[in-house]
Formats: sequence, C-alpha cells, structure tokens
Amino acid sequence: KAGVTQTPRYLIKTRGQQVTLSCSPISGHRSVSWYQQTPGQGLQFLFEYFSETQRNKGNFPGRFSGRQFSNSRSEMNVSTLELGDSALYLCASSLPRSYEQYFGPGTRLTVT
Amino acid sequence: AQKVTQAQTEISVVEKEDVTLDCVYETRDTTYYLFWYKQPPSGELVFLIRRNSFDEQNEISGRYSWNFQKSTSSFNFTITASQVVDSAVYFCALSEARSGGGADGLTFGKGTHLIIQP
Repeated sequence: KAGVTQTPRYLIKTRGQQVTLSCSPISGHRSVSWYQQTPGQGLQFLFEYFSETQRNKGNFPGRFSGRQFSNSRSEMNVSTLELGDSALYLCASSLPRSYEQYFGPGTRLTVT
Repeated sequence: AQKVTQAQTEISVVEKEDVTLDCVYETRDTTYYLFWYKQPPSGELVFLIRRNSFDEQNEISGRYSWNFQKSTSSFNFTITASQVVDSAVYFCALSEARSGGGADGLTFGKGTHLIIQP
C-alpha cells in the first residue's frame, strides 16, 4: 500500500505571496491532518479534515486554510506569507475512528 | 490544555548502550492516547507505538520498550542495545479522545535528538 504523499517536497516563496500544498492520504484513509514543524515551536497541529469537512482546528491565524476533496485528498493554503511561515509542513492520514496517524514526508517551505 | 514535556533535548550514547527517553504529559481528560514517533533525517515521522490511558501495561517490541505510569504522568521509551540506525529525533505525543471514536489532533513534545555513536 502506498504511503501518504505530499507535493511539492520543496518550495521557495516570497513574503506576501500565497502557497498551496497538496496531500494524498493512504488509500482508504478518510481523515487528513496537517502539522507545522519549526525549530522554535516544534510540531504544531494545524487542522484536520474528514469527509470534506474541517473537524478540528489548531491555534493558527486565518491565513492558514485547507480543504478536502471527495477522494480524501487535501490541500492547505497559506495566504500573505510571512518569514515565520518557513517550516516543514507535514500531512498525516488515518482511518475513521482510528488513533494512529501516518505521516507523509512533508513539504519544506522557505519564505524569503 | 494538554501538554507534553520531553526534558532531554539531546542524548548521545555509544552503540550497544541502553538509553531511556523521558516523556511527561499533562491532560485533564480521563481518556487519552499517548504515542511515540521517530523522525529520521529524511523528515518523515514514523509511528512507533500507541498507548491508551486505561491500559498501563508496559510493552516490549524487540529492542524497544515503553513504560507507562499514570501516577507520574509519564510514558518513557527505552532502547536496549542501541544501534547507529536508532539515531533520530524521537517525539512523544498526546491526543484526547473524540466523542464518536478516534482521537483529536496530536500535541507533541519538543523531541529528543538521539545520537548513537559507533
């Protein structure tokens, strides 16, 4: 079974731009969660989607948004990028009512 | 609010030594889940173990073992006879139960960078 895939793997953007990251979950997994990893703040939960609905949300500004499609694939969008948004963005998928989340390799975003 | 503390920022040991990674958590929920993840240099988080709050049995999987003690809110991870391939950042995480099943988003500790020297 293929694992969680994330595209692109690396991205460089300029402050003020917006960016969209993509995540394809493991086949059969309908829940997708997003996390941000930075050296200073560590790993922080962004949001979770299930059946195309946001089910849970972390403490991030509204510039961070996401969506999920009917095939469970998910995208997250960050608008008006700031230097502090430079991070590794990790996507994780899980089965409905499951406890284990399986992570993708991440997208390394650099904002200059 | 829930919180996970991994006080050891970095541990360096020589191969074949045993090493224990500490994890202390805080939560007001009575039902919660604890996890350990491994993050090798490639960046992908690898799931190692999940523990339910109502199951305090310790677990052993090969060279890995986990000690869960609710009385001290700790969930420690021991690697026996460490190997160079064990070098990675290890994260402890906590998730509260969600009504209807499953668990909410993970709250991670800051991680412990484990270095195994040959």
